[in-house]
Amino acid sequence: QITLKESGPTLVKPTQTLTLTCTFSGFSLSTTGVGVGWIRQPPGKALEWLGMIYWDADKRYSPSLKSRLTITKDTSKNQVVFTMTDMDPVDTATYYCAHTDMGSVTGAFDYWGQGILVTVSS
Amino acid sequence: SYTLTQPPSVSVAPGQTARITCGVNDIGSQTVNWYQQKPGQAPVLLLYDDIHRPSGIPERFSGSTSANRATLTIGGVGAGDEADYYCHMWDGSSDHPVFGGGTKLTVL
Repeated sequence: QITLKESGPTLVKPTQTLTLTCTFSGFSLSTTGVGVGWIRQPPGKALEWLGMIYWDADKRYSPSLKSRLTITKDTSKNQVVFTMTDMDPVDTATYYCAHTDMGSVTGAFDYWGQGILVTVSS
Repeated sequence: SYTLTQPPSVSVAPGQTARITCGVNDIGSQTVNWYQQKPGQAPVLLLYDDIHRPSGIPERFSGSTSANRATLTIGGVGAGDEADYYCHMWDGSSDHPVFGGGTKLTVL
């Protein structure tokens, strides 16, 4: 059974750096084809893909946010760490991590964490 | 890069069929995924690779595509289907995934 869960601060100040951890179980991020993505959703708005990391440590970032994002993995701990610098109130959103497997669901996100609402405010 | 265009809302009477579209300039060889999101919950994958249902998704959820549009069809709609629906696909030209703006399905 695959599960993912996001953890981290729920309140950050403008200009601060946000660090979120996705702790997962039921799969290994060293298995060929597997990836973990980050998606966010501002209150009342649509989903926005932020970035992802694959089993081979390959990474992809949203072009519009690339300069602010870093995603790393710790395979031994079954964790993926997401970092976004220079936070602004417009970054207030629920942040999700999600699993994908290029070999089975071809890039779709088939398992999602519950999400964590991050508010950016002074 | 791709822009996926969805109608903001779709309404349908109970028991009828709902169709939610996702417009894209040129799907090409890319495939479309669909998600359902109920209030306060994480999205759930409904369809992947245009037409495939993950385990546990009822057959009344189906998908189709044409050159510039993907369609999610929900048969026998009930109150439990009220949710936001998102299309999602990989933009091969820019090498990253894109989500549509979402469609709110209302069951009258």
